[in-house]
Amino acid sequence: EAGVVQSPRYKIIEKKQPVAFWCNPISGHNTLYWYRQNLGQGPELLIRYENEEAVDDSQLPKDRFSAERLKGVDSTLKIQPAELGDSAVYLCASRYTDTQYFGPGTRLTVL
Amino acid sequence: QKEVEQNSGPLSVPEGAIASLNCTYSDRGSQSFFWYRQYSGKSPELIMFIYSNGDKEDGRFTAQLNKASQYVSLLIRDSQPSDSATYLCAVSNNDMRFGAGTRLTVKP
Repeated sequence: EAGVVQSPRYKIIEKKQPVAFWCNPISGHNTLYWYRQNLGQGPELLIRYENEEAVDDSQLPKDRFSAERLKGVDSTLKIQPAELGDSAVYLCASRYTDTQYFGPGTRLTVL
Repeated sequence: QKEVEQNSGPLSVPEGAIASLNCTYSDRGSQSFFWYRQYSGKSPELIMFIYSNGDKEDGRFTAQLNKASQYVSLLIRDSQPSDSATYLCAVSNNDMRFGAGTRLTVKP
């Protein structure tokens, strides 16, 4: 069984530029999460989807971040414009029963 | 107060010893408790989950939960150098909240 797939694995951009991350969850997993993990910290929830519905986006900085999960499968997280403080690893996870499975993450560096 | 607190470490134990990792949480409504292992530069991977008070054993790993004290721990018996990683405690009441992790080093 394929795991959670994310791309790109690494991204370097200049501040004020846009960036997008893509996630393909494990087949059959209806719940999808986006997390941000800063160095030395645990993952911080940005948004949770149940199928195509965003059911918890209270931690998503909506002035510059947006996300979508069309058709309830793949998801895209976008930042526009990026700021220096957005440098982090962005993790996607999908859930089966109570267990979350993480993708490899996208390491974003904003210069 | 952070929702999930862990000692950041580093915790260093000799090979073969027992490593003890601790975690406290603030939300009394939390229902599920997880331990994830994260190697440097990698994503978290699930080690164990526990729902009920008491102990749960899986191989060399034992998770302990005390809801009254809002405390969950992970014991690693016969620690190996390959156990060296950051261990993340996570607590769920619908959504998962992670601690900052404890860095464990097992010395040969």
